[in-house]
Parts: sequence; structure tokens; C-alpha cells
Amino acid sequence: KAGVTQTPRYLIKTRGQQVTLSCSPISGHRSVSWYQQTPGQGLQFLFEYFSETQRNKGNFPGRFSGRQFSNSRSEMNVSTLELGDSALYLCASYSGGFDEQFFGPGTRLTVL
Amino acid sequence: SQQGEEDPQALSIQEGENATMNCSYKTSINNLQWYRQNSGRGLVHLILIRSNEREKHSGRLRVTLDTSKKSSSLLITASRAADTASYFCATDTSNDYKLSFGAGTTVTVRA
Repeated sequence: KAGVTQTPRYLIKTRGQQVTLSCSPISGHRSVSWYQQTPGQGLQFLFEYFSETQRNKGNFPGRFSGRQFSNSRSEMNVSTLELGDSALYLCASYSGGFDEQFFGPGTRLTVL
Repeated sequence: SQQGEEDPQALSIQEGENATMNCSYKTSINNLQWYRQNSGRGLVHLILIRSNEREKHSGRLRVTLDTSKKSSSLLITASRAADTASYFCATDTSNDYKLSFGAGTTVTVRA
């Protein structure tokens, strides 16, 4: 069974630009969550999708948005990038219930 | 805000020794999961323990959960160089599925 796939793995952008990250969950999983990891703040929850609906949202500005498609693949978008958005962005794939959540390899975003 | 706190922040042990790290959390949980992360890469799922369980084993890993003390421990026996990594505990609650992570324990296994 294939694991969680995230693309791209690395990304370099400049301030003010926007970026779209993609996550393909494990086959059969209907939920995807996104997390931001930085040295200062650690791992922080961004949002969670189940069957194309956002079920939960973390405490991030509106510049961070996401969506989920009918095949459970998810994208997150960050507009008007700031230096502080430089981070490792991780997505988690799970069934949708209180079960194991499996993470992808992450996308390393650097904002210059 | 972070739900969990790992202790110690860092741990250095000799190959073959056991490594123990602890996680404390603040509110009632559904599940507690342990993850390993190697040098800024993705999180590898190690084990999930449910709130009605007290102990689980997986290979060289042993996890305990004490809901009365709101704490969990992860024991890695007979450590290897490949166990060098950061270890995180993550909890979810009955209200939602999001995971709340601690700051992690960095484990270094010396050859």
C-alpha cells in the first residue's frame, strides 16, 4: 500500500508570492490534516478535511487555505507569503475516525 | 498552544542501552500517538495507545499510558544508532481529530 505523498518536496519562494502544496493520502483514507512545523512554534495544526469538507481549522490567518477533492487528495494554499511562513508543511492521512494518522515526507518551504 | 510536553528535551545514550521519554498532557484524550522524526523529515508513526489501554508493545517499543496522571512514556529497548531522532507524542480529544503535539525529545544514540 502506497504511503502519503506530498509534492513538491522543496520550494523556494519570495515574499508576496503565493504557493500551493499537494497531499495524496493513503488509498481508502478520507481525511487529510495539515500541520506547520517550525523550530520556534513546533508542530501546529492548520486544518482538517473529511470527504471534501473542512471539519476543523487551526489558528492561522486567512492567507492559509485548503481544499480536498473527491479523490481525497488535498491542497493547501498560502497567499502573500511572509518570511515567517518558512517551515516544513506536513500532511496526515487517516480514515476519518480516531485511528492512526500517517504523515507524508513534508514540503520544505523557504520564503526569501 | 501545545497539549503535550515531552521530558527530557534531549537524551544521549550508548548503543544497546534503553531510552525512556515521557509525555504529559493537559486535557482528557481519546488516543495518544508516538512519532519519530529524523532530521527535519516526515513523521513516522510508531504506536497508538487508546485512553482505555494502559500498555502497548511494538517490537522494541513499549508505551504506557496513565490517564489519572495525564502522562505517557515511551521506552525504546536495546537502542541502535538508527534510533537517533526526535520523538513526539500527539494527542487527540473526543471533540475533534486534530493532533496536539509536544515539543519533542531529541534522542542521540552513540556508537
